[in-house]
Amino acid sequence: DAKTTQPNSMESNEEEPVHLPCNHSTISGTDYIHWYRQLPSQGPEYVIHGLTSNVNNRMASLAIAEDRKSSTLILHRATLRDAAVYYCILTRGSSNTGKLIFGQGTTLQVKP
Amino acid sequence: EAGVTQSPTHLIKTRGQQVTLRCSPISGHTSVYWYQQALGLGLQFLLWYDEGEERNRGNFPPRFSGRQFPNYSSELNVNALELEDSALYLCASPQQGLDGYTFGSGTRLTVV
Repeated sequence: DAKTTQPNSMESNEEEPVHLPCNHSTISGTDYIHWYRQLPSQGPEYVIHGLTSNVNNRMASLAIAEDRKSSTLILHRATLRDAAVYYCILTRGSSNTGKLIFGQGTTLQVKP
Repeated sequence: EAGVTQSPTHLIKTRGQQVTLRCSPISGHTSVYWYQQALGLGLQFLLWYDEGEERNRGNFPPRFSGRQFPNYSSELNVNALELEDSALYLCASPQQGLDGYTFGSGTRLTVV
């Protein structure tokens, strides 16, 4: 399984955009990039996923590098409720038929 | 659609005892995934059940086992509990109409 690398922690101010990076230099052509987040005392929550093109949904945007070796999750206006651990995960095919491999993720702190 | 439900929410057991955790996937979904999140170790894949069969297993000893019922709900059983089994146990189900997974809120197991 291809591996992802994320910074351990990041800080943001409330109401400002946040760019969370993820490196996945060994990504294969069929790997999708998924992002989940985990709020304190809760299970992980699906945020967004993509293959090659940038993606937008109500929660966030996903910017994928042209060579697909890195991606960035963009929260357009951080709120205190966005404070969580963000995980970048690669899945084989559009839906993983097996396990998700979670790294340590990025702990995002949002300051008022 | 109803989400993934897990029970109980919290549990305290003594070392050497046995425990059973329960999960109901999103209605109509046949797959259930179990994960363990121990302190400092991140989320680790445990088991995947689909259509009543075990499809994949993580790197856990045989005392971790489970089953899936005809209504697709699932049980995770842990025998001969050890202190290191103290963790948040999460269950996940594929999302309806989306690529990604919905996680339950988990069962917090404490072994003393």
